[in-house]
Amino acid sequence: NAGVTQTPKFQVLKTGQSMTLQCAQDMNHNSMYWYRQDPGMGLRLIYYSASEGTTDKGEVPNGYNVSRLNKREFSLRLESAAPSQTSVYFCASIFEGKVAKNIQYFGAGTRLSVL
Amino acid sequence: DQQVKQNSPSLSVQEGRISILNCDYTNSMFDYFLWYKKYPAEGPTFLISISSIKDKNEDGRFTVFLNKSAKHLSLHIVPSQPGDSAVYFCAARSGNTGKLIFGQGTTLQVKP
Repeated sequence: NAGVTQTPKFQVLKTGQSMTLQCAQDMNHNSMYWYRQDPGMGLRLIYYSASEGTTDKGEVPNGYNVSRLNKREFSLRLESAAPSQTSVYFCASIFEGKVAKNIQYFGAGTRLSVL
Repeated sequence: DQQVKQNSPSLSVQEGRISILNCDYTNSMFDYFLWYKKYPAEGPTFLISISSIKDKNEDGRFTVFLNKSAKHLSLHIVPSQPGDSAVYFCAARSGNTGKLIFGQGTTLQVKP
């Protein structure tokens, strides 16, 4: 059972380059999320998708776009990378149930450096 | 404006003793609180949670306490083990979207 899978694990970009971070979950979760983690800042929500076909901005959406391709996949795109986007990016999906409420399952992360 | 704050960046505890990690929040509309644990090069994993209608939730060595009047929650780990060494994130849920607001994290080191 893979859970939440993120690719790539590492990436180095030059300023102005574009790239797409991929995320897929096999748990049949409806909601998916993209976060970035920076030192001393915790995890900050970039975008989320409450269901297939819908996306909404989170706390720090500027410079990013997302696509909820289907129920399994939620991708994050940097159109023109900037050094300020150097970070570790985490994808998460959510399980909702009677007992386990609002537990988000995270991928292993993508470490991105923009030079 | 940081709505969820973990004011201690790090904590060091001897094996077998109690670890207490603290978290403060400002938004009284938060209705669910969670703790996540993160090892290096891995994603955060869920540890324990508490609803705002409760003041305590226990799961094995882990207990979370919620003081709504003080807008404060804490995670107690008893007894602490070296494998508990990790970064701990406090998170609060806002509304029904599942959106979580995370604190900055506290790095716990449990010394043998």
